[in-house]
Amino acid sequence: NAGVTQTPKFQVLKTGQSMTLQCAQDMNHNSMYWYRQDPGMGLRLIYYSASEGTTDKGEVPNGYNVSRLNKREFSLRLESAAPSQTSVYFCATNRRGDTGELFFGEGSRLTVL
Amino acid sequence: AQRVTQPEKLLSVFKGAPVELKCNYSYSGSPELFWYVQYSRQRLQLLLRHISRESIKGFTADLNKGETSFHLKKPFAQEEDSAMYYCALSGRNTGNQFYFGTGTSLTVIP
Repeated sequence: NAGVTQTPKFQVLKTGQSMTLQCAQDMNHNSMYWYRQDPGMGLRLIYYSASEGTTDKGEVPNGYNVSRLNKREFSLRLESAAPSQTSVYFCATNRRGDTGELFFGEGSRLTVL
Repeated sequence: AQRVTQPEKLLSVFKGAPVELKCNYSYSGSPELFWYVQYSRQRLQLLLRHISRESIKGFTADLNKGETSFHLKKPFAQEEDSAMYYCALSGRNTGNQFYFGTGTSLTVIP
């Protein structure tokens, strides 16, 4: 029972390159989220998916796209990476309709040069 | 609009001293408040939620609706409490979203 798994854990990109962060959960949760964590800014929501087949923008969606591939997987794509997207990215899940506990992945540290 | 404010970015206390991490919020309606903790090299995890009204690792937090606060307290800090602490808010008005504060980095000095 891995919970929430993110890949890759570390990535270095050059400006303009693209990449996809993968998130998979085995908790049978409906809702999935992508956050970014920056010093002094806390956690900011990029996109979320309340259920399979739906996605919604969060606080900082510009420069990102997401795909809710199925109930288990929620990917975050950077089409043309920028230095401002250097951050630690966290995937999280919880049950739909339950404003309770969020379960987080270990994080993915992305550096854009 | 929903907002969570943690006024202290950094907080240092000596081992055995009391610690209080402040959290204030703005929300229309009945919020659910949480404290999440991130220990070094570990993932974020729930420390406690106001609805549970329980003490975890010696920490407590009381929701004060009059002052719109949810401060985290512990009477005697331990070295293992050193971590990053985030206050978070959710509720029916947030559309299933969670709003986090900017975090407080707590260091307990031996």
